[in-house]
Amino acid sequence: SQELEQSPQSLIVQEGKNLTINCTSSKTLYGLYWYKQKYGEGLIFLMMLQKGGEEKSHEKITAKLDEKKQQSSLHITASQPSHAGIYLCGADTGNQFYFGTGTSLTVIP
Amino acid sequence: ETGVTQTPRHLVMGMTNKKSLKCEQHLGHNAMYWYKQSAKKPLELMFVYNFKEQTENNSVPSRFSPECPNSSHLFLHLHTLQPEDSALYLCASSQRAQAVGSGANVLTFGAGSRLTVL
Repeated sequence: SQELEQSPQSLIVQEGKNLTINCTSSKTLYGLYWYKQKYGEGLIFLMMLQKGGEEKSHEKITAKLDEKKQQSSLHITASQPSHAGIYLCGADTGNQFYFGTGTSLTVIP
Repeated sequence: ETGVTQTPRHLVMGMTNKKSLKCEQHLGHNAMYWYKQSAKKPLELMFVYNFKEQTENNSVPSRFSPECPNSSHLFLHLHTLQPEDSALYLCASSQRAQAVGSGANVLTFGAGSRLTVL
């Protein structure tokens, strides 16, 4: 089965600091998806990466996919309290859509 | 509002009750999913329906019974549940490409149904 490992499991940062979340797959991915979840709510789509070496940005969030398409990073610049939540990476294997273990982010004002 | 609506948002049931969770999508998608999210555990994929046909059943106990009457509606029928089944149940939909890996498969999620089994 597809496994996605995320690190760190949790992160506490001061407002204004930069941070990075990593997602590693045991297999080459068709596509890597990043989602954000507010506690107890549904997941909100952030970005999708499909090509090796691809990088995308939206506001202060940048996601990258490595050349081998097995590892992705999510980088937040100048974090704000609104960035707090759980970040999950997901992968489509063709028949199923798996998610990583999640990273809980707390931003202290 | 994401276009995927789940009801009820909260449900408390006894172990002998029968209840159902409902999911409706207004996005014209051709695939729907049920996920289970328990505390401190990864999201668990339970069922997948492509074009109303169930394509995946990840060893889910028979006390969970999915139903997909059309491409816009998905139900999860619950009966004789256990306390460990208490969790957030998330529904999602997507527009899947016919060929694997040929296109994006962005899942759109509902807000979830919080289930407590007493």
